[in-house]
Amino acid sequence: LAKTTQPISMDSYEGQEVNITCSHNNIATNDYITWYQQFPSQGPRFIIQGYKTKVTNEVASLFIPADRKSSTLSLPRVSLSDTAVYYCLVGDMGNTDKLIFGTGTRLQVFP
Amino acid sequence: DSGVTQTPKHLITATGQRVTLRCSPRSGDLSVYWYQQSLDQGLQFLIQYYNGEERAKGNILERFSAQQFPDLHSELNLSSLELGDSALYFCASSARTQSSYNEQFFGPGTRLTVL
Repeated sequence: LAKTTQPISMDSYEGQEVNITCSHNNIATNDYITWYQQFPSQGPRFIIQGYKTKVTNEVASLFIPADRKSSTLSLPRVSLSDTAVYYCLVGDMGNTDKLIFGTGTRLQVFP
Repeated sequence: DSGVTQTPKHLITATGQRVTLRCSPRSGDLSVYWYQQSLDQGLQFLIQYYNGEERAKGNILERFSAQQFPDLHSELNLSSLELGDSALYFCASSARTQSSYNEQFFGPGTRLTVL
């Protein structure tokens, strides 16, 4: 399973766009990139998943460059309710033996 | 609401004791995963079951064990509890295990406090 590196924490203000970058230099051909969001004392919640280029859903966008060694989760116009921990996972989710969420990125949104 | 239920929500016990955490996956999901999350730490994968059989093992202690029953609910058994076992324990389920797209749906967790 590819090791991921993401910032420990980030601060933002309401209405701003937030970009969280995850590095995964050892990503394998079959690996997907998946992001989860976790609020305090709750289980993580799936946000978005992608393999290459750009993926967009109603919550976020995921940008993946051609070499796939990194990815960027983009949250448009954040609100206070986006304050959470964001985890980047890389792997073949169907066949991985270990799923490593790591410590994630703690996003704090201020009014 | 993810559709995954966990009981109990809170559990307080003493060192040396044994507890059982229960998880009911989303309807139709065959895979169940267990995770441990200590204070201010990331999630640690413990174990995965698929349709009643153990499929993958993570950093699970020998004092811990799990099983998945024919009705697909799962139980995580923690024995000889130590203070360091105090944590949030999450269960997750997913529909498929042979696909690279394998979204996991997490339950609300069980908060275990060992005194």
